[in-house]
Order: sequence, then C-alpha cells, then structure tokens
Amino acid sequence: DIVMTQTPLSLSATPGQPASISCKSSESLQHSDGKTYLYWYLQKPGQSPQLLLYEVSSRFSGVPDRFSGSGSGTDFTLKISRVEAEDVGVYYCMHGIRFPWTFGQGTRVDIK
Amino acid sequence: EVQLVESGGGLAQPGRSLRLSCVASGFTFEDYGMHWVRQGLGKGLEWVAGISWNAGNKGYADSVKGRFTISRDNAKNALYLEMNSLRGEDTALYYCTAGDFWGQGTQVTVSS
Repeated sequence: DIVMTQTPLSLSATPGQPASISCKSSESLQHSDGKTYLYWYLQKPGQSPQLLLYEVSSRFSGVPDRFSGSGSGTDFTLKISRVEAEDVGVYYCMHGIRFPWTFGQGTRVDIK
Repeated sequence: EVQLVESGGGLAQPGRSLRLSCVASGFTFEDYGMHWVRQGLGKGLEWVAGISWNAGNKGYADSVKGRFTISRDNAKNALYLEMNSLRGEDTALYYCTAGDFWGQGTQVTVSS
C-alpha cells in the first residue's frame, strides 16, 4: 500500500502570514493517463472533511485562491498564502491512484 | 443542494454484523466513484472501501478486507457497506463520500 507522510504534524500560523504543509508518498502518484491523483482535504472542528484541491493543484468549487497546491511524483505541498482564522483545522493529503486509497496522518493548524 | 445521508450505525457486539447505507441527492450519483471513510474518536481519517461508478471495481483497506463489502444501487442513488465479524477497532464515525462531497457520518460502536 502507498504510505502518505505529512509534515509538520502541527502548525501554529500567524494571521496574514503564509503557511505550508508537505506531503510525500511512498510511490509516484502519476497515473498512466497523465494525471496525478493527489488530493487535499480540510476538516474544520466538528465538521466533515471538505475537499480543497484535487489533482495536486486544482481548487474545488468555492475554495479561496489563497489555497494552492504544487508538486509532482512523490512530493507535494499545500500553501496558504495568507492564513485566516477560518483556516483552522486538520489538513489531510490523500492519494487516489489505485486501491487502497490512503490518507496522510493529518496536520493540525491553529492560529497564534 | 448536494446531500449524502448515512444511516445504519449503532452498537454491535464483537463478531456481529451491521449494514450501513448512504443515500445521495443533488448530484448525478452514477457519475461518481463512491467511498467509505472512517474516523475513530480523536483520530485521523482512514479510507475503508471504494467502488467505481458501475461497481466494476472495488477496493478495501487491509484492515477490513474479507470482512466488509461495499456495494451500490445507482437506481436508488444508494451506497452500502456490509460489515461482518466486527471488532472493537472498527468503532468509528463512518462517512460516505464521493470525494467532492461528504455526509455527516454514522457512528458505529463495537462493544460487548
């Protein structure tokens, strides 16, 4: 199974400042169809997870443009250009290249 | 409005069975692969099982393989998870998800 490793596991962010989370996979997530099946989710306190980014860098509907994703192969990054109070929660990366899909451990983000 | 509504959770004794259901509305259900994801109390997200749009491809986490069965009925916009030989470690909130959309979850507790 593909192992997804996130760093850091916790992050205390300053409002208005950038923040980033790394996600590494144990195998390349680039499919033979050319797409890279790496997703980012945010689970806000007391809520179900919500999709932020799909295929590394495509923002889901309604996701603010301060969220961006980059990377290829096995190394990926989620960046928040200017952290806002509403961004607190746990961020997960997940691969979807083949079954079984797996999540990273999660990165807990709070505000200083 | 997109909705995924899970049901069927509850208290079960170890070794017994439960069947979870998820009914979808507000989007074209048959266009989406569907998944079950679970989350133990205070824990991270764990992908449990997935099924392609036409049920031609199914996958399971190693932790549930051979005990859980995922299925779907596109005519009813419904997703199911048959859970047999339940264990204490299966205790979690079970989410139904289309990747883009998530339900609120149904709690499964396995205890004698």
